[in-house]
Amino acid sequence: AQSVTQLGSHVSVSEGALVLLRCNYSSSVPPYLFWYVQYPNQGLQLLLKYTSAATLVKGINGFEAEFKKSETSFHLTKPSAHMSDAAEYFCAVSKTGANNLFFGTGTRLTVIP
Amino acid sequence: EAGVAQSPRYKIIEKRQSVAFWCNPISGHATLYWYQQILGQGPKLLIQFQNNGVVDDSQLPKDRFSAERLKGVDSTLKIQPAKLEDSAVYLCASSLGIVDQPQHFGDGTRLSIL
Repeated sequence: AQSVTQLGSHVSVSEGALVLLRCNYSSSVPPYLFWYVQYPNQGLQLLLKYTSAATLVKGINGFEAEFKKSETSFHLTKPSAHMSDAAEYFCAVSKTGANNLFFGTGTRLTVIP
Repeated sequence: EAGVAQSPRYKIIEKRQSVAFWCNPISGHATLYWYQQILGQGPKLLIQFQNNGVVDDSQLPKDRFSAERLKGVDSTLKIQPAKLEDSAVYLCASSLGIVDQPQHFGDGTRLSIL
């Protein structure tokens, strides 16, 4: 069975501060892992994906995530938060690539000016 | 390239009424997905099509929900009769269907049941 747990439904950071959004996964096979961002009243946009290549994955808008098998984690980071980063972020896992995604419950990021 | 198109954007109906949502995927995308996103939760897959065939509908409440993709392109999702707990955003996504190719999402239809 596949599942993800996102720790912290709400995260607030100051503009310019480090962003860290946590995601732990459970998978019976080597997983594919994804981070999506959702702005208000919009669909989900792919930030980055891990597909068993490099463990440090770089995505769009300055985000990156590191796959740590020993910790079953795939945390999302960005060195310096921008006001435009305020959104809902979802971690997702799949055992079959882009199909059959199982999403976490999401983390709402607030950026304080 | 044009993205995934969904309509309507918003719909308000009373319980026990019926409603239908429409999705036009990205051109050339063989795989189409319908998700239900309840407020405060992540999207949950309802049904997955590969061309015009159903790949996975294990989480579709078949007593009231139905979906079709007759010509392997556009798709409709129908709810009949609607219940209060069906209030959610219904997202459509499409992909090439190849391993490692991501899903692209539409902006969704927000359904409110009174």
